[in-house]
Amino acid sequence: EPEVTQTPSHQVTQMGQEVILRCVPISNHLYFYWYRQILGQKVEFLVSFYNNEISEKSEIFDDQFSVERPDGSNFTLKIRSTKLEDSAMYFCASSPWQVETQYFGPGTRLLVL
Amino acid sequence: EDQVTQSPEALRLQEGESSSLNCSYTVSGLRGLFWYRQDPGKGPEFLFTLYSAGEEKEKERLKATLTKKESFLHITAPKPEDSATYLCAVVRHGGSQGNLIFGKGTKLSVKP
Repeated sequence: EPEVTQTPSHQVTQMGQEVILRCVPISNHLYFYWYRQILGQKVEFLVSFYNNEISEKSEIFDDQFSVERPDGSNFTLKIRSTKLEDSAMYFCASSPWQVETQYFGPGTRLLVL
Repeated sequence: EDQVTQSPEALRLQEGESSSLNCSYTVSGLRGLFWYRQDPGKGPEFLFTLYSAGEEKEKERLKATLTKKESFLHITAPKPEDSATYLCAVVRHGGSQGNLIFGKGTKLSVKP
């Protein structure tokens, strides 16, 4: 059964460093998403991506964040200068179309020291 | 403001003891309601999608229902392997490209 994959599973970085989180969505899906979950809190929407551009972004998704689909399979989230409060679990998701079921990856646990 | 509230926050059941989890929502027009299961340190795993009031979906020991204000996830004769956090999420009308608004979840523990 097709699934969303994410790499790395864990990442530790120093404050101010850049990180890139990688995702491979399900191959025939058209909508891609990033969410984050701070430990003990709810899952929060960051950004949605369709047709090679951002469809919608939340207030959390400020200028430090960017997304890209560099080729036909990968979808990346870049944080330019990490802050302590960026420590969280980051989930990638994809769906065949908007409002249809979103399938989530296993997540990347990011720890900023 | 769009909001999803789940209750209870935590639920402890004995194996075989049926119960229900609640998800109430206030959104400006519901386009879809989703139930996910999340195990510790893992990503949300899809369970059900509901689109209109009166709709019901079933899968093994789980049954999800939807009204105009809330959804219920009924668990019949649960087993220890049903222990997880159950998440409810909605997509609303109006400008949204499908981003999910999540509740905080209900942490279910089923003891043998």
